[in-house]
Amino acid sequence: DMKVTQMPRYLIKRMGENVLLECGQDMSHETMYWYRQDPGLGLQLIYISYDVDSNSEGDIPKGYRVSRKKREHFSLILDSAKTNQTSVYFCASSLSQGADERLFFGHGTKLSVL
Amino acid sequence: GDQVEQSPSALSLHEGTGSALRCNFTTTMRAVQWFQQNSRGSLINLFYLASGTKENGRLKSTFNSKESYSTLHIRDAQLEDSGTYFCAAEGGTGNYKYVFGAGTRLKVIA
Repeated sequence: DMKVTQMPRYLIKRMGENVLLECGQDMSHETMYWYRQDPGLGLQLIYISYDVDSNSEGDIPKGYRVSRKKREHFSLILDSAKTNQTSVYFCASSLSQGADERLFFGHGTKLSVL
Repeated sequence: GDQVEQSPSALSLHEGTGSALRCNFTTTMRAVQWFQQNSRGSLINLFYLASGTKENGRLKSTFNSKESYSTLHIRDAQLEDSGTYFCAAEGGTGNYKYVFGAGTRLKVIA
């Protein structure tokens, strides 16, 4: 069963704390993504990873960093979280070559920074 | 600036009717995808298109790269079609960085 798994589903942190969001996929997809979604808006790309240790900034990378040490795992790290990083974070994966580049999304992590 | 403009922003349909959602692009796009976000917040991939038209059940999508738009047609709408529909497009550089539109909120009414 093809799946993108995000942990945790819900997270509450205080301003200034560090946050680790984890994402896994079982489809051997090369490319993985982190997006955030704010109320009433579409998804904004934070970072993209093309494979292990091959990461690239998206449209809103400030305040975030990522880690990809295994193809199946992609982590999003917030060092010293800020209240404006309260959002729903989505991880996705896709094949990068061939006729099917569909993005498959996880269920999202709802992060509240107080 | 905004690269992906979705319209309408909201839409109500009676069961059994249909309509079209549209995305206009301000730059040339290489590929487009359409997603439904359901009431639980899950994002479901409906279509990936690099060109032309695809159909799946009551849904049909077209991507015209030359004229910079894509459409999603829903026919015979059902209550479970309610949700928010997003298009996402990738610019012609082939960097796989998909940019999302702001979405169309669809409500299907019995």
